Amino acid sequence: DSGVTQTPKHLITATGQRVTLRCSPRSGDLSVYWYQQSLDQGLQFLIQYYNGEERAKGNILERFSAQQFPDLHSELNLSSLELGDSALYFCASSVGSSGGHQTQYFGPGTRLLVL
Amino acid sequence: AQTVTQSQPEMSVQEAETVTLSCTYDTSESDYYLFWYKQPPSRQMILVIRQEAYKQQNATENRFSVNFQKAAKSFSLKISDSQLGDAAMYFCAYRSGNFGNEKLTFGTGTRLTIIP
Repeated sequence: DSGVTQTPKHLITATGQRVTLRCSPRSGDLSVYWYQQSLDQGLQFLIQYYNGEERAKGNILERFSAQQFPDLHSELNLSSLELGDSALYFCASSVGSSGGHQTQYFGPGTRLLVL
Repeated sequence: AQTVTQSQPEMSVQEAETVTLSCTYDTSESDYYLFWYKQPPSRQMILVIRQEAYKQQNATENRFSVNFQKAAKSFSLKISDSQLGDAAMYFCAYRSGNFGNEKLTFGTGTRLTIIP
């Protein structure tokens, strides 16, 4: 158990819909990262938040957005869903302070299926 | 941009034997970190081992060790005394040492099968 929690574990929805994925980081971690794992794109970085602020953005679609709340949990919002958005979405967390290896620990993932 | 290459889509090894998974990376940075993650059938991403680029000594974690060749930009994972529970996808990952660029860049993975 990494200490990172994600809900829900599975999500089945229809095209055009909107869903919210939730992540709680390990105790003490300030940084949260979102990754997408799909068959054709592999593991791709989406976005990083540090202590409530966006720190880095990767290959995140405009239909996707995220935020980190004062209690440090994060939500990834996916809207106008398309079939190609079906994937495993991971949240990871790290301490987030400057310097050091900043090892990222991953949650169990949310498996999204868009029908 | 940094890239990570895993040239072995699949590998297999007899139980109790040793296997080495390859990883190469491309970067112009001098400060970075390298990781191996394991993804078993449960799909959980589990940290196996970490290497700091500034350290010359190869990292070791029990049966897992790396061969880090900085000049060659190579970072292979050696698994000794392979066990059935080692069967998984293994991903090599790169992280920049630059503040604000902490994302992980992953390779495409190597699927490891353990033969009883």
